[in-house]
Amino acid sequence: DSGVTQTPKHLITATGQRVTLRCSPRSGDLSVYWYQQSLDQGLQFLIQYYNGEERAKGNILERFSAQQFPDLHSELNLSSLELGDSALYFCASSVTGGDYYNEQFFGPGTRLTVL
Amino acid sequence: GQNIDQPTEMTATEGAIVQINCTYQTSGFNGLFWYQQHAGEAPTFLSYNVLDGLEEKGRFSSFLSRSKGYSYLLLKELQMKDSASYLCAVRERYSGAGSYQLTFGKGTKLSVIP
Repeated sequence: DSGVTQTPKHLITATGQRVTLRCSPRSGDLSVYWYQQSLDQGLQFLIQYYNGEERAKGNILERFSAQQFPDLHSELNLSSLELGDSALYFCASSVTGGDYYNEQFFGPGTRLTVL
Repeated sequence: GQNIDQPTEMTATEGAIVQINCTYQTSGFNGLFWYQQHAGEAPTFLSYNVLDGLEEKGRFSSFLSRSKGYSYLLLKELQMKDSASYLCAVRERYSGAGSYQLTFGKGTKLSVIP
């Protein structure tokens, strides 16, 4: 158990819908990262927040957005869902987003299925 | 941008040694990580290299050559529970102060057979 929690564990929805995935980082961690993992693409970095502010942006679609709240939990919002958005979505956290060695601890993931 | 290559699949025998290679091309290199991921589960951290050389941690060792853009993960005394995917990830400075991005390879699926 990494100490990172994600809800829900599974989510099944239809194309065109909108969903929200939730992540609580380990106690004391200020950075939250979101990743998408599909069978053909591997683990893709989406976005990072540090202490409530966006810090880095990867291959995140415009239909996707995220935020980090004052209590440091984060939400990833996926809208206008398409079949290709079906994937495992992981949240990870780390102590800082800074200059030195900074291990990321991964949550158990949310499996999203778009029908 | 980055390009990270690792073999798609490998098979090895219980008790043996296996080496999983990773090559990368990147600018702003700031470290290389290896993660283990069992099917449907979260990646878990195995090792980190930022300087050239070998880092040993029990049955697992990781090597880095920055000039060659090359790393390997060495697993000794293989056990059945080592059957998993092994992800090579390169840490690169993101355009912005004090921010880094991890880019993962597609992973190597290791099957350990009796």
